[in-house]
Amino acid sequence: GAVVSQHPSRVICKSGTSVKIECRSLDFQATTMFWYRQFPKQSLMLMATSNEGSKATYEQGVEKDKFLINHASLTLSTLTVTSAHPEDSSFYICSARKASGGAMVQETQYFGPGTRLLVL
Amino acid sequence: EDKVVQSPLSLVVHEGDTVTLNCSYEVTNFRSLLWYKQEKKAPTFLFMLTSSGIEKKSGRLSSILDKKELFSILNITATQTGDSAVYLCAVEASGATNKLIFGTGTLLAVQP
Repeated sequence: GAVVSQHPSRVICKSGTSVKIECRSLDFQATTMFWYRQFPKQSLMLMATSNEGSKATYEQGVEKDKFLINHASLTLSTLTVTSAHPEDSSFYICSARKASGGAMVQETQYFGPGTRLLVL
Repeated sequence: EDKVVQSPLSLVVHEGDTVTLNCSYEVTNFRSLLWYKQEKKAPTFLFMLTSSGIEKKSGRLSSILDKKELFSILNITATQTGDSAVYLCAVEASGATNKLIFGTGTLLAVQP
C-alpha cells in the first residue's frame, strides 16, 4: 500500500504563533507532495505543490511568506503557518505522489489523514 | 478557468436504494478523473478513470467516464448506512505539477 501520515492530527494555538505540520510518505518515495486546505462544508482547495529539493509552487491567492513549505527529502514535506490568525483555522491535508520510477505509469495521489488547526 | 462541478450537492436515500452521483468538468489538458470518499478525515481513493466508456467496479460501487461529454458518474447500488459520506470528484490536469482540481462534493446520507 501507500501510506501518508501527518503530524499533528490536531493543534490549537494562540493567535500570532507559528505552527508546523509534517507530512510523511511512510512506505514510498514522493517526488511531489501537495498541500490542501478545507474549510467546513467546502471542498479541498490546493494551496501549493511541493517538489523535493526545489521551491514550492503556490496557487493564486496563497501567501508564500505566510505558508512556508519545505520538502527536504523524498519522504517529508512540512507546512508552517506563520503568525497564525483565527481565519487560518481549517483542515489542512497533504497528499503525496509516488516517484514514477521511469515507467509511464499514472500514479494517484495518496492523502494523509489531515491536521485540524484551531487558532484562538 | 478550470472547474469541476458535482451534482447533486446533497442527497438523502434509504438503505437499499441505488444512487448516481454526477461530475462534469472543464479542464485544460485533462489527464485523469478521480473519485474519493471523505468521511470525517481525509479522502480515501475510490477510482481513477482515464479512458471513456470503460466501467470501473469495486463491490457495489462503479464509475464511468465520458471524455466527449466531459462528465463522469459514480453509482452505488444497494446503499448501506456506511456509504454515508461526502463523495469528491477531482480532475488531474497535465502540466508541470499535475495538480488535482476538486469539485465541491456530494453529501450522501443513507438512512436505515
